Amino acid sequence: GAGVSQTPSNKVTEKGKYVELRCDPISGHTALYWYRQSLGQGPEFLIYFQGTGAADDSGLPNDRFFAVRPEGSVSTLKIQRTERGDSAVYLCASRPGPSYNEQFFGPGTRLTVL
Amino acid sequence: QQQVKQSPQSLIVQKGGISIINCAYENTAFDYFPWYQQFPGKGPALLIAIRPDVSEKKEGRFTISFNKSAKQFSLHIMDSQPGDSATYFCAASYYGNKLVFGAGTILRVKS
Repeated sequence: GAGVSQTPSNKVTEKGKYVELRCDPISGHTALYWYRQSLGQGPEFLIYFQGTGAADDSGLPNDRFFAVRPEGSVSTLKIQRTERGDSAVYLCASRPGPSYNEQFFGPGTRLTVL
Repeated sequence: QQQVKQSPQSLIVQKGGISIINCAYENTAFDYFPWYQQFPGKGPALLIAIRPDVSEKKEGRFTISFNKSAKQFSLHIMDSQPGDSATYFCAASYYGNKLVFGAGTILRVKS
């Protein structure tokens, strides 16, 4: 079956601009996670949705970052007033449901802020 | 307390040899310990995972050894192949929450 998909695969923007990154989880998966991976490092947690609500947003670095999942499926990560330090690969993962631990990752969106 | 420490940073192994990567954690609430494999330009792919009530789990050439008292776990790749060359991440989580990742190990298998 189809895995987690993320669009766009690459995004180049200028400092100060607004960007949106999209994640389509595996069909039927109720939990969705966003992580950020800087070059040469492990992924770092940003936010976790169970259904439509954010169950844990403790990893969002500041109020320029926001994420939504209005219908409990697709999620959008929104970054306002982008900074060069926001450049990274943004990864999305989904998990089947409460009885499962496994998280399945998408290919990521490489964000470059010039 | 949320950290997962991974070693070594990089590893070179001859084809057919055993690759061993180690991780240590502090938070005793962690109840799920997966290993991910990542190729350049791709997302992490789940390789194998273990729960703390088991000391070892084997899937094909990949084995996790888990030492609950020492708060350590390791990945062993038997008969390492050039196609295993990738970055490996250990991770930990509890109750299905966020994964906390190690810093990664770059494995190169020489043919």
